[in-house]
Amino acid sequence: AQRVTQPEKLLSVFKGAPVELKCNYSYSGSPELFWYVQYSRQRLQLLLRHISRESIKGFTADLNKGETSFHLKKPFAQEEDSAMYYCALSRYGGATNKLIFGTGTLLAVQP
Amino acid sequence: GAVVSQHPSWVICKSGTSVKIECRSLDFQATTMFWYRQFPKQSLMLMATSNEGSKATYEQGVEKDKFLINHASLTLSTLTVTSAHPEDSSFYICSASDTSGGFTDTQYFGPGTRLTVL
Repeated sequence: AQRVTQPEKLLSVFKGAPVELKCNYSYSGSPELFWYVQYSRQRLQLLLRHISRESIKGFTADLNKGETSFHLKKPFAQEEDSAMYYCALSRYGGATNKLIFGTGTLLAVQP
Repeated sequence: GAVVSQHPSWVICKSGTSVKIECRSLDFQATTMFWYRQFPKQSLMLMATSNEGSKATYEQGVEKDKFLINHASLTLSTLTVTSAHPEDSSFYICSASDTSGGFTDTQYFGPGTRLTVL
């Protein structure tokens, strides 16, 4: 079964502390994984995707196929990072790639 | 660029009535649009995939006669909740794929529509 698991509903850290938001997936094919972010009262937006291997707003995520994980990391958290983070898996559904979302993790960065 | 709008942002209706929600890609053409439903404090659940000019593809467990989807143009898809009941109350979110180049499966999300059925 195709599934995305985010084990933490809430992650609270202090400003300047390292952050790791966990994401594990279950997928029989070659996965394409994403992190989406939703700031307060804003729409969902793409943060990064594993295929581009880039760092956005200081966040990085490495696909580990052995551990079936795609954890999101940032070395020093900022207050403006406080938001809801969703890990998502793209699965091919005919002519279209569809997204399967995890349940999300609320990151709260304390001053 | 890549902005998706939804209208209305919130709607309250009586049980038994139908409600239409519009999803528009404002500055790009989207051959594919997606409709999601989000319950409070839960994740987004894909309801259906809408392709311009063809019938929508519904996910398992989603009633296609209940949730009518029309994708009449490359910039507009509509979701009509027919004979709405209180259990249909939810947050409905659409997204659209920009097919003009780059990553064709990047989805851009609308702000969502809060539906409350009394």
